[in-house]
Amino acid sequence: EAGVTQFPSHSVIEKGQTVTLRCDPISGHDNLYWYRRVMGKEIKFLLHFVKESKQDESGMPNNRFLAERTGGTYSTLKVQPAELEDSGVYFCASSRPEKGKLFFGSGTQLSVL
Amino acid sequence: AQKITQTQPGMFVQEKEAVTLDCTYDTSDPSYGLFWYKQPSSGEMIFLIYQGSYDQQNATEGRYSLNFQKARKSANLVISASQLGDSAMYFCAMSHTGFQKLVFGTGTRLLVSP
Repeated sequence: EAGVTQFPSHSVIEKGQTVTLRCDPISGHDNLYWYRRVMGKEIKFLLHFVKESKQDESGMPNNRFLAERTGGTYSTLKVQPAELEDSGVYFCASSRPEKGKLFFGSGTQLSVL
Repeated sequence: AQKITQTQPGMFVQEKEAVTLDCTYDTSDPSYGLFWYKQPSSGEMIFLIYQGSYDQQNATEGRYSLNFQKARKSANLVISASQLGDSAMYFCAMSHTGFQKLVFGTGTRLLVSP
């Protein structure tokens, strides 16, 4: 069984540019989550999808962040325009429909210069 | 509000010895779950162990055990017989909604030496 896949593994962009992160959850996992770790700080929840619906987006920092999960499969997280403080590691996680432990991807290291 | 505190930014242990990674938590909710994740250099977050607030016994998973002291609000991870491959970042986390929407600590970096 393939794990949670995130692309790209690293992204370096300039302030003001747009970046799109992608997450492919484990097949059959209806629950999909985005988390973020800013340098030296805690990993923080961003949002939770159940299939294609946003169940909880209370952790999204501001309206420069847009998450989608069309068709209830893969998800994208777009940052537009990127700011310096957006730098960090963005993790995606998924879990089964009946809930259960989260399986995390390897993360995308985003650097905004 | 929920909060996880990991006071050890780094820990060193020799191979084959046991090590305890500290985790304390703060919550007013009687129902919660506590987790430990391992993050090796590859970046992936690997689930290690889970303890429910109503579980009577401490959780164990192979060489990992969770020393759950509810009154002290602590959930320390004990790794027995450390191996070189245990070198990684370790995160303690908590959830009030089953396994969802985790609150993480800042992590402890463990280095196992030969």
